[in-house]
Amino acid sequence: DAGITQSPRHKVTETGTPVTLRCHQTENHRYMYWYRQDPGHGLRLIHYSYGVKDTDKGEVSDGYSVSRSKTEDFLLTLESATSSQTSVYFCAISPTASSPYEQYFGPGTRLTVT
Amino acid sequence: KNEVEQSPQNLTAQEGEFITINCSYSVGISALHWLQQHPGGGIVSLFMLSSGKKKHGRLIATINIQEKHSSLHITASHPRDSAVYICAARGGADGLTFGKGTHLIIQP
Repeated sequence: DAGITQSPRHKVTETGTPVTLRCHQTENHRYMYWYRQDPGHGLRLIHYSYGVKDTDKGEVSDGYSVSRSKTEDFLLTLESATSSQTSVYFCAISPTASSPYEQYFGPGTRLTVT
Repeated sequence: KNEVEQSPQNLTAQEGEFITINCSYSVGISALHWLQQHPGGGIVSLFMLSSGKKKHGRLIATINIQEKHSSLHITASHPRDSAVYICAARGGADGLTFGKGTHLIIQP
């Protein structure tokens, strides 16, 4: 299994509070991704990173920011959490953007905003 | 923006049956992924295809680039195959576009 961990695994927070989710990898892969998974929508890309300090927005980036100061860590921040951000968040990593394009997923973080 | 459609959304079958899950996408891709998500929530990559056919044990994945269509087959299905199967299309470096998943239940 690819060495990907996410923390915390579960979090309950109140509307308006800041929340940071962490993705940590031990594979030294260049690409890292944050997705959210909601019933009826499947997985959707929030932000991704193609190297240290290099990030870009995905399909559903509003209300989220990211940072990557080290190869191994990719942080997702909700500056002011809203109930619509209640979801399961998955981190994924990939060694390259060219073939063979393999992606490996972390175990997920279940976030509830009350 | 790529649109990825899966069918069926839900499938219940008896142990031993041959299972087919379909995936279609709207624009050209560089690769098509099949993923498995068990009730515990973890996501595992099953296949990554850019052409032709791949086989791992009882699982077979095929892709037709011209028709923008892929299928996942399970032979001799078993209750442990019960999971959500997700297809995802890869256009470039900016992640994957996912289908909504097929919920498969194999009854003993």
